[in-house]
Amino acid sequence: ETGVTQSPTHLIKTRGQQVTLRCSSQSGHNTVSWYQQALGQGPQFIFQYYREEENGRGNFPPRFSGLQFPNYSSELNVNALELDDSALYLCASSPKREQETQYFGPGTRLLVL
Amino acid sequence: DQQVKQNSPSLSVQEGRISILNCDYTNSMFDYFLWYKKYPAEGPTFLISISSIKDKNEDGRFTVFLNKSAKHLSLHIVPSQPGDSAVYFCAASAFNFGNEKLTFGTGTRLTIIP
Repeated sequence: ETGVTQSPTHLIKTRGQQVTLRCSSQSGHNTVSWYQQALGQGPQFIFQYYREEENGRGNFPPRFSGLQFPNYSSELNVNALELDDSALYLCASSPKREQETQYFGPGTRLLVL
Repeated sequence: DQQVKQNSPSLSVQEGRISILNCDYTNSMFDYFLWYKKYPAEGPTFLISISSIKDKNEDGRFTVFLNKSAKHLSLHIVPSQPGDSAVYFCAASAFNFGNEKLTFGTGTRLTIIP
């Protein structure tokens, strides 16, 4: 059984640019959540997708957007990057929306200069 | 407002002894609690969870205790091993939020001393 994978592992962008991060959920999992982890902090919930629909959003501006595809893989898009967007972005999947245990990928570390 | 708090940023424990990591929460709507372990350059790894209908859950060397009246949970690791050295995150969720977002604490760095 393949776990959650994310790409790329590292990324450097400049302020104002746009970025797309990708996530493949664990086999059989139809729910994907994205989290941002700043240095020294715990992961912060960005949003969740269930069967290709957004199913809840945290306190992040609209320039953070996402997609989930029919195979349950997902993308996180961030427009107009700001320096404070520098963080580890984590994707987590779970077998169904009511399953509270989420399984995380290794993350994508984004640096905005 | 930090709804899940881990007040000890770090903890050092001798190998073979018990490690106790603590977590407090403020939102009484939380009904499911989890502990994750994180090594550098890796994503969080699920360790153990507990539903609010229980006060204890055990899995091998790991036991989680929940005290709902105090809004407090703890993770016990016995015996502690060098491979347990990592950052531990406490997380909570509430089914009736409509989604399963996890709210995390800021983590406790556990160091096991050989």
